[in-house]
Amino acid sequence: GAVVSQHPSRVICKSGTSVKIECRSLDFQATTMFWYRQFPKKSLMLMATSNEGSKATYEQGVEKDKFLINHASLTLSTLTVTSAHPEDSSFYICSARDPSTGSDQPQHFGDGTRLSIL
Amino acid sequence: EDQVTQSPEALRLQEGESSSLNCSYTVSGLRGLFWYRQDPGKGPEFLFTLYSAGEEKEKERLKATLTKKESFLHITAPKPEDSATYLCAARNTGGFKTIFGAGTRLFVKA
Repeated sequence: GAVVSQHPSRVICKSGTSVKIECRSLDFQATTMFWYRQFPKKSLMLMATSNEGSKATYEQGVEKDKFLINHASLTLSTLTVTSAHPEDSSFYICSARDPSTGSDQPQHFGDGTRLSIL
Repeated sequence: EDQVTQSPEALRLQEGESSSLNCSYTVSGLRGLFWYRQDPGKGPEFLFTLYSAGEEKEKERLKATLTKKESFLHITAPKPEDSATYLCAARNTGGFKTIFGAGTRLFVKA
C-alpha cells in the first residue's frame, strides 16, 4: 500500500526558531499533499493543501506567512513553521493519496511531528 | 455545511465486550466514507473505505457498515491491543476535501 514518511518525528526548540518538517511519498507520486494540525483529543484540522509546482491552498484562518509550504517535487512537500512561538506547539501530520488510484481512495498519513516550542 | 460527528467521545470496554462506534455524516454527495485507527503519537492508519449504503467491510474483529446518514464500526470481542482512537472521515462528490470527525477513544481493559 501507499506509504508516507514524515520527518522529524519530534522537535523541541526555542521560541523564535524556524522549523522545517518534511513529508515524502515513498512508493507513489503525489501531486497533492495535505498538512494537518491536531490538538489533544481533537480532530485533524486541515491547514493547507500542497500542490506540486504551484502555490499551496490555505484554509481560512491559517497564516500563509507563518506556515510556509513548498512542494517542489512529486514526492516531497515541506512545511516550515517560521519564527515559532509556544502557541505553535502541536502535532503536525501530513498525508497524501495516490492520484493514479482515483479520487475516491483513502489518504495515507505520515507518523506526524510533535513540535514543542519552549 | 459538510460535517462528520462521532460518538461516543470515549468508550471503555472490558476485554471480550462487543460494542459499536457511531459516525454521523452530512456531506454534499458521499464519495467515500473512511475509517482510520490512530495510536498515541502516530498518524492515522487506514482501515476501511465504504462507498454506498448497505455496504459492509470486515477486518479481524472490526466490521464497518454504512447507511445514508451514518456509519458504524462494530468491534467484536475486543482485546486490549484494540485500544486506540478511531477516526471517521467523509469525502464529498467534489472528491477533493476529506472531513474528519473528532474520533472515539477506545479503551479495552484486560
